[in-house]
Amino acid sequence: KQEVTQIPAALSVPEGENLVLNCSFTDSAIYNLQWFRQDPGKGLTSLLLIQSSQREQTSGRLNASLDKSSGRSTLYIAASQPGDSATYLCAVIAAGNKLTFGGGTRVLVKP
Amino acid sequence: GAGVSQSPSNKVTEKGKDVELRCDPISGHTALYWYRQSLGQGLEFLIYFQGNSAPDKSGLPSDRFSAERTGGSVSTLTIQRTQQEDSAVYLCASSLGTTGNTIYFGEGSWLTVV
Repeated sequence: KQEVTQIPAALSVPEGENLVLNCSFTDSAIYNLQWFRQDPGKGLTSLLLIQSSQREQTSGRLNASLDKSSGRSTLYIAASQPGDSATYLCAVIAAGNKLTFGGGTRVLVKP
Repeated sequence: GAGVSQSPSNKVTEKGKDVELRCDPISGHTALYWYRQSLGQGLEFLIYFQGNSAPDKSGLPSDRFSAERTGGSVSTLTIQRTQQEDSAVYLCASSLGTTGNTIYFGEGSWLTVV
């Protein structure tokens, strides 16, 4: 059974620092991995999708890497801003097309 | 519409009543998912629809939960005889269906059972 873990569960950084969020999964037989952001009381906003054949994806200040063989993905957010404060979730998609989510990392960027 | 639309956004119901939650996916999306997120908990898979295939109901927690998808578009999640432990946010998502496509979530329906 696929298990997805995100460490740390919470992270606090001063504005301007780079953020590094980790995601690990136990079964490397995945189709792709998706990173989401969730603001309090809101739904999930898709940030990046990485196909299993890809090593990384970039969008603006966000960069996500994927090492399928070791079961790891990392989300980098450059030059963090207070508006980046949210919970970040990773999810893997495998056979059956279901998403398996990690527990999330709650990020606070202090001005 | 432009995104996944869910209604109601908030629902307070008495224990024992039935509730219906609606999801309107992005136009043209053949895959539709329901997830549940309880307070302080992770996202729990409930059910997955793909086109005309039989839905994957393996995540439904009990027979009080059911879902249907009419005409390959709108979906309704029904919870019968609600219990307090059903209180959660119910999230719907859709995608183009084939693997490798981004999955988009709605804002959720926040259910409180009192």
